[in-house]
Amino acid sequence: GENVEQHPSTLSVQEGDSAVIKCTYSDSASNYFPWYKQELGKGPQLIIDIRSNVGEKKDQRIAVTLNKTAKHFSLHITETQPEDSAVYFCAAGTNTGGFKTIFGAGTRLFVKA
Amino acid sequence: DTAVSQTPKYLVTQMGNDKSIKCEQNLGHDTMYWYKQDSKKFLKIMFSYNNKELIINETVPNRFSPKSPDKAHLNLHINSLELGDSAVYFCASSQAINYGYTFGSGTRLTVV
Repeated sequence: GENVEQHPSTLSVQEGDSAVIKCTYSDSASNYFPWYKQELGKGPQLIIDIRSNVGEKKDQRIAVTLNKTAKHFSLHITETQPEDSAVYFCAAGTNTGGFKTIFGAGTRLFVKA
Repeated sequence: DTAVSQTPKYLVTQMGNDKSIKCEQNLGHDTMYWYKQDSKKFLKIMFSYNNKELIINETVPNRFSPKSPDKAHLNLHINSLELGDSAVYFCASSQAINYGYTFGSGTRLTVV
C-alpha cells in the first residue's frame, strides 16, 4: 500500500542554522504534498504545500522541493528560531481508490537558543 | 472564532463504555476527516466524508461509527471502548479532497 517515509525522526539545530527534513513516497500517483507543524498540545497546522506540477515553492523562511522521478520531497527551514521547535509531518495525497493523504511518522525539531 | 472545534478536549472513561466526540467546522469546507494519533505521534486516517457522504473507511473496527448530519459536522461514536483505543483523535476539514487540512485541537481519549 501507500507509504511515506520521513527522516530524520529527531533533528537538533542551533538557532540561526538551517534545518532539512526529507520524505519519500511509494505511490507514483501521488500529486499533492503538504507539510504540517504540530506544537505541543495542538493539532497539526498546514505550513506549506506543493503539487506535482511544481518543483519548488518558497514562503519566507520555509521552502519545499519535489523530485517526482525519485519520489522525494523535502522541507527546508532557514534562519531557524526557537519557536520553530515542533514536530513536523510530511504527507502525500493520492487519488488511488478514493483520495487519501498519508502522513510520514514526523520529525521532532529542536532549535537551541 | 475557532475554525474546527472538537469536544470534549479530554475524555477519561472505563473499558466497555460507549462515548462520542463531536466536531464542527465553520470554514464552509466540503470534506471532513477523523485521524487517530498514537503515543508515537503517528497520524492515521480513520474516516473521510465529502458532502456528508463517506468516501474513505480505513480498516477501523466497526465499534467506531462516524456520522455526518450536515457538511459542517462530523461526529465519532465509539462502542465498547478498549484500552487500545487510548489516543488523541483529531478532526479535520479541507476545501476539497486534495487540499490541505485544517485540524481541530484534538480529543485525548484515555480508557482505563
